[in-house]
Amino acid sequence: TQLLEQSPQFLSIQEGENLTVYCNSSSVFSSLQWYRQEPGEGPVLLVTVVTGGEVKKLKRLTFQFGDARKDSSLHITAAQPGDTGLYLCAGRIRGGSQGNLIFGKGTKLSVKP
Amino acid sequence: EAGVTQFPSHSVIEKGQTVTLRCDPISGHDNLYWYRRVMGKEIKFLLHFVKESKQDESGMPNNRFLAERTGGTYSTLKVQPAELEDSGVYFCASSQVRGYNSPLHFGNGTRLTVT
Repeated sequence: TQLLEQSPQFLSIQEGENLTVYCNSSSVFSSLQWYRQEPGEGPVLLVTVVTGGEVKKLKRLTFQFGDARKDSSLHITAAQPGDTGLYLCAGRIRGGSQGNLIFGKGTKLSVKP
Repeated sequence: EAGVTQFPSHSVIEKGQTVTLRCDPISGHDNLYWYRRVMGKEIKFLLHFVKESKQDESGMPNNRFLAERTGGTYSTLKVQPAELEDSGVYFCASSQVRGYNSPLHFGNGTRLTVT
């Protein structure tokens, strides 16, 4: 059973389009992080959200944590080819081990020029 | 600062052989984690060291896996004997502080193939 369901699994869009990636769970998370991973490299942290309803912006990327802290979304405005990569959500379950980060399977984004 | 480094980047071994993966965390990071991604699945937690002590090893698949962090610096993960299902990418990560919001810094991983 996968604790964090991430969708879509694949996304191919044209430069300039907007997109949203979703991360859902039936469990409550004390915090949720979004990572980006390039081929042959490890995940790189983009943002951490900790408060229900929290919204964080990183240039053209907007991250939101659900009010109940069970879901999160990543919205990219006017996508560019440089945004291509694997986006991963990962969270720590409330009351769980600090080191045990639960990952979604990832969304492979391809932005065509 | 130098990032988390892992060695080797790739390893191909036969079933029944032994392989040792190494991770050098960022200097000064007391927390060190091992994760694994098996093909088609999500990245999964294996274990967490705080300095040289195992804080949580609940994700270790079985007793064929042995992780050590002598001296609280680099860590090794040994698989003995390796099985086909051990194939995957093994990531090491480190963090400076503990806590639920602490950012993890990942290495580039070791791709292990067991044939």
